[in-house]
Amino acid sequence: GAGVSQSPRYKVAKRGQDVALRCDPISGHVSLFWYQQALGQGPEFLTYFQNEAQLDKSGLPSDRFFAERPEGSVSTLKIQRTQQEDSAVYLCASSPRDDYGYTFGSGTRLTVV
Amino acid sequence: AQKITQTQPGMFVQEKEAVTLDCTYDTSDQSYGLFWYKQPSSGEMIFLIYQGSYDEQNATEGRYSLNFQKARKSANLVISASQLGDSAMYFCAMREGRGSTLGRLYFGRGTQLTVWP
Repeated sequence: GAGVSQSPRYKVAKRGQDVALRCDPISGHVSLFWYQQALGQGPEFLTYFQNEAQLDKSGLPSDRFFAERPEGSVSTLKIQRTQQEDSAVYLCASSPRDDYGYTFGSGTRLTVV
Repeated sequence: AQKITQTQPGMFVQEKEAVTLDCTYDTSDQSYGLFWYKQPSSGEMIFLIYQGSYDEQNATEGRYSLNFQKARKSANLVISASQLGDSAMYFCAMREGRGSTLGRLYFGRGTQLTVWP
């Protein structure tokens, strides 16, 4: 596709439930990033892939958060045993290379009830 | 310490007027990049303009210009001839350093711009 696609657009999860958020980057983009944006805040970095290699996961808030990009294209962010504080918009961005601009997806809004 | 500071939670401007959105940054790196993004209520982050730390000229993109003052560590966004469609949240962001953290962006808390007719 022409842009970064994220699904689902909205997700409501009961506390304790596991969720999986998907990101389809622009074809051929080497770099992929996940950000978490809490209500009224700027996005906060979660993790970064270069092709299938996860080069930086220092922003993941806990070991309940896990991201993968097994074939260097589609990425999945998984959150286990969701908590209310996980409620946020999760943004994915991709870039053709590290020192270039980023294209963001529209995000997945996760609400944990 | 915050790497990006946006001190204006909200700004109002009349249509066709110019507006400046403030951004200051904090880094010890010599090489860094500064970005501005627009986020409408629909949620997507739209890239507006980029300034590299070694760029001598201020960046411009159509109605957007970046007032880069390196000594003051400021990177203010100037929107000329505001339009109603400019109403959105605006984020300043910085990318610093090299190596594995090259791609990571640090964002400010944003400024909500409202353009009125």
